[in-house]
Amino acid sequence: AQRVTQPEKLLSVFKGAPVELKCNYSYSGSPELFWYVQYSRQRLQLLLRHISRESIKGFTADLNKGETSFHLKKPFAQEEDSAMYYCALRLTGGGNKLTFGTGTQLKVEL
Amino acid sequence: KAGVTQTPRYLIKTRGQQVTLSCSPISGHRSVSWYQQTPGQGLQFLFEYFSETQRNKGNFPGRFSGRQFSNSRSEMNVSTLELGDSALYLCASSPLSERAPGDEQFFGPGTRLTVL
Repeated sequence: AQRVTQPEKLLSVFKGAPVELKCNYSYSGSPELFWYVQYSRQRLQLLLRHISRESIKGFTADLNKGETSFHLKKPFAQEEDSAMYYCALRLTGGGNKLTFGTGTQLKVEL
Repeated sequence: KAGVTQTPRYLIKTRGQQVTLSCSPISGHRSVSWYQQTPGQGLQFLFEYFSETQRNKGNFPGRFSGRQFSNSRSEMNVSTLELGDSALYLCASSPLSERAPGDEQFFGPGTRLTVL
């Protein structure tokens, strides 16, 4: 069965410092990977997806199939980046089922 | 367009009762998925409905069931409630008629269920 691991429950960085939220997955096929974010008192929303290879709010994530990782990175953290971040996997072929990691709380301190 | 809406937002029930939660997807979206979010287990997939048919099911007991109506609105039902069913139940809708790589799911605000 597929699995998503986010090893850090909490990541605290200073404003302007680089951010890396780790995500590893286990799946023998070719999955689709996503990062979802939940800001305080807001609903869960898509941040970015590996297939579009885009940068959103300064965040990027590269799918590394050899290391089965999809780490989320941002060169300079901003206060507004403080939120809960979830890495999620979807299997290719049929359905919208997302398998989520346990999430990482990012706290950006001034 | 209005976002995904869920009703009620908060619910308190006692053990043994049953509960029905409702989800209205974004207009035009035909896929609706349900997730359970708890502090201990995180976000776990319950089931997905597309065109009134269950397309995917997670590893939950048969007490958890759902359905989708012709207007794509969906309901989930939990029978014989247990304390461990206390959770935030999230609904998500997706726009495409056939799932395409990278298509986005839009989440509702959730229904907070407390079982006493």
